[in-house]
Amino acid sequence: DTGVSQNPRHKITKRGQNVTFRCDPISEHNRLYWYRQTLGQGPEFLTYFQNEAQLEKSRLLSDRFSAERPKGSFSTLEIQRTEQGDSAMYLCASSARGGRVAGSTDTQYFGPGTRLTVL
Amino acid sequence: AQSVSQHNHHVILSEAASLELGCNYSYGGTVNLFWYVQYPGQHLQLLLKYFSGDPLVKGIKGFEAEFIKSKFSFNLRKPSVQWSDTAEYFCAVLAYGGSQGNLIFGKGTKLSVKP
Repeated sequence: DTGVSQNPRHKITKRGQNVTFRCDPISEHNRLYWYRQTLGQGPEFLTYFQNEAQLEKSRLLSDRFSAERPKGSFSTLEIQRTEQGDSAMYLCASSARGGRVAGSTDTQYFGPGTRLTVL
Repeated sequence: AQSVSQHNHHVILSEAASLELGCNYSYGGTVNLFWYVQYPGQHLQLLLKYFSGDPLVKGIKGFEAEFIKSKFSFNLRKPSVQWSDTAEYFCAVLAYGGSQGNLIFGKGTKLSVKP
């Protein structure tokens, strides 16, 4: 399977613990995105990388959240001191090239997500 | 701020009925538009996309969508639905000139097709 992969698929943790998720994008995709999805809502943007550079962070990404993509390949999303409100599905997506010109082929392909439950 | 509205939260249809799911966005500049589908137990999959050119775009499994710029709309259609179309459908917008690269999603429309 050459799609976006995410690990783990499910994570249950106690409030106050730290958790880390991993995303492996489609090979050769230079852009990688993190989204969060809660019940009854569409995915909400958290942050994205172009290669190893983190280019944008949403205001949803509090200082307890940190994301890295050290070698421009896989990425990790860490949540420190988890809260019950962090319970959600965390989605990763990747795209190729990522132009800012209208008509570019910046199509994002999504992974299966990591479902986080904070008790 | 940009936003995407999907008019229907839950649509229930019988097989062979026609489908139209509404999507409106708020952004006055250039946009790329997408419909994603999430089948039960599966991840988000791209159904179709519009970047430029012909405003009527065709996607997989017989779906199509029409971009009407004057109405800021990108409605999804299918002439005859099947039970296997039961899924949640998300409209998404990529706004150029606004936020740099993130998709803005609607809340989704759950489609249930009765056999």
